[in-house]
Amino acid sequence: GQQLNQSPQSMFIQEGEDVSMNCTSSSIFNTWLWYKQDPGEGPVLLIALYKAGELTSNGRLTAQFGITRKDSFLNISASIPSDVGIYFCAGPRGGATNKLIFGTGTLLAVQP
Amino acid sequence: GAGVSQSPRYKVAKRGQDVALRCDPISGHVSLFWYQQALGQGPEFLTYFQNEAQLDKSGLPSDRFFAERPEGSVSTLKIQRTQQEDSAVYLCASSLRGRSYEQYFGPGTRLTVT
Repeated sequence: GQQLNQSPQSMFIQEGEDVSMNCTSSSIFNTWLWYKQDPGEGPVLLIALYKAGELTSNGRLTAQFGITRKDSFLNISASIPSDVGIYFCAGPRGGATNKLIFGTGTLLAVQP
Repeated sequence: GAGVSQSPRYKVAKRGQDVALRCDPISGHVSLFWYQQALGQGPEFLTYFQNEAQLDKSGLPSDRFFAERPEGSVSTLKIQRTQQEDSAVYLCASSLRGRSYEQYFGPGTRLTVT
């Protein structure tokens, strides 16, 4: 079945550094979503992408919908301690359904 | 405005007990989803409602799992005769009809079966 693989699996960075992570699939997606999850909380929607090649920003976050439609990228600029958490990519599972398949997650740790 | 709320936040059940988990979606959101999240993994789809109609229940792991949304607002996920493998965080999400892919999640209910 469809799988979304995220890399890196984890990142340990210093405050102020920029961060890049990606999500790849063996299947084409028409929508990509990026979520952040803090411990003990539900995922929070960060960015939604609907068109191949699209580049969308939300504050210090920028996400891109890959041209092949099989990948997406998330960048965080000038990281701060509250960026700590697990970042998930997600996309519709296929067909006309609205259900999402989630990636394996990237754990981000930021040292002040 | 108010987000998705879930209750209880934590539930401990003895194996064999029945549990009921509640979800209050964002007002006006017609679509409601339940997901199951195991420790260290991403959420996995369980079931989907559009208003009161359950349109997809393909992710429910067994017939012990049952979900309802009788008036198209609040939803309840019921697990009968709980087993240890049911231990997980159960997440509820809601979305507007036109942008159903943009799902907004509640804080989840952490279920521990002992």
